[in-house]
Amino acid sequence: SQTIHQWPATLVQPVGSPLSLECTVEGTSNPNLYWYRQAAGRGLQLLFYSVGIGQISSEVPQNLSASRPQDRQFILSSKKLLLSDSGFYLCAWSLSIPGGNQPQHFGDGTRLSIL
Amino acid sequence: DAKTTQPTSMDCAEGRAANLPCNHSTISGNEYVYWYRQIHSQGPQYIIHGLKNNETNEMASLIITEDRKSSTLILPHATLRDTAVYYCIVRVEETSGSRLTFGEGTQLTVNP
Repeated sequence: SQTIHQWPATLVQPVGSPLSLECTVEGTSNPNLYWYRQAAGRGLQLLFYSVGIGQISSEVPQNLSASRPQDRQFILSSKKLLLSDSGFYLCAWSLSIPGGNQPQHFGDGTRLSIL
Repeated sequence: DAKTTQPTSMDCAEGRAANLPCNHSTISGNEYVYWYRQIHSQGPQYIIHGLKNNETNEMASLIITEDRKSSTLILPHATLRDTAVYYCIVRVEETSGSRLTFGEGTQLTVNP
């Protein structure tokens, strides 16, 4: 069966510091990968998605970036964090099957606090 | 994606069936109904999805009305661990890069 891992679970960072969050998927090949952010008490905001190695699409302009160096690895980064970057970051995957209709499956998230 | 309307909160007794309604009166013919839930401080968990026919899996059943304007998620024997926010999402067939848009959802509290 497929599993998704995110780390770290919680992170406290000062303003202006860099960020690297990692997500890996096991048990499947060539998944679609997603990064979401969930602000406190609010819905999900899609940040980035990827359909393959090195292929990244950005949904929202911001000071975050994403990379997919390997098939099942998705990394969320920032060079200089802002206070507004605080939130609950979620990685998700879905099967890449022609015709779609595949649900997305989420990791346990990283709770990021910027001080 | 079509807008959905769900009750803000519901209570259910442990061991009883939990029936969570969702209205999606503007749903289009090619839009699916998805259900997710989110337990506090965890990532959303996929439960079930369907297009026209009723669906059942090991977690729940999904009943979609004939006109597809509403649906009900049924947890047949609710446990305390089913306490969570339940999200009903209506969206077109998922393709690569498709986003999930979560509304407010229903806070289900299962009581002992």
